[in-house]
Amino acid sequence: TQLLEQSPQFLSIQEGENLTVYCNSSSVFSSLQWYRQEPGEGPVLLVTVVTGGEVKKLKRLTFQFGDARKDSSLHITAAQPGDTGLYLCAGEKTSYDKVIFGPGTSLSVIP
Amino acid sequence: KAGVTQTPRYLIKTRGQQVTLSCSPISGHRSVSWYQQTPGQGLQFLFEYFSETQRNKGNFPGRFSGRQFSNSRSEMNVSTLELGDSALYLCASSLYSGGRGDTQYFGPGTRLTVL
Repeated sequence: TQLLEQSPQFLSIQEGENLTVYCNSSSVFSSLQWYRQEPGEGPVLLVTVVTGGEVKKLKRLTFQFGDARKDSSLHITAAQPGDTGLYLCAGEKTSYDKVIFGPGTSLSVIP
Repeated sequence: KAGVTQTPRYLIKTRGQQVTLSCSPISGHRSVSWYQQTPGQGLQFLFEYFSETQRNKGNFPGRFSGRQFSNSRSEMNVSTLELGDSALYLCASSLYSGGRGDTQYFGPGTRLTVL
């Protein structure tokens, strides 16, 4: 049983479209992180959210942490081919717990 | 500043053999974590080392072990390899152990294939 669920599992869209991917759990997390992983590489941290209801923006990417700190979303505006990759969410229940990763959303942006 | 390096990048072994993977963290980082990534199970935490001590461990059998040296470099060992051990093994380093917002920097991984 996955502690963190991500949806959709796969997403293929045209360049310029908007999209949202979701990360959900029945557990409360003290912090949640989003990573992007490209083929043949390790994940790269995009953002960390720690406060319920927090919204962070990184250029065309908007991240939101749910009020109850059980879920998060990543919205990409005007997707570009360079956004292609595996998007992973990861949560920490406490400062000293191991980090738990979701299964990921594989995004493909077609030129 | 150099990133996290992992050696070797690719490895092919046969069932029953053992393997050692190496990870060099970013200079100054004292925490090293290891993860296994497979298409079916995703990214799963193996263990974390901080100042040569194992601080946290995931749910993997005892065939998986690791250690950290005084210079923070880390190795992980898998004994009696099984087909299901085929995976991408990722190492991540961070400045501290624990603490919200402590950024993990991942290496490119070692792709292990067990035949």
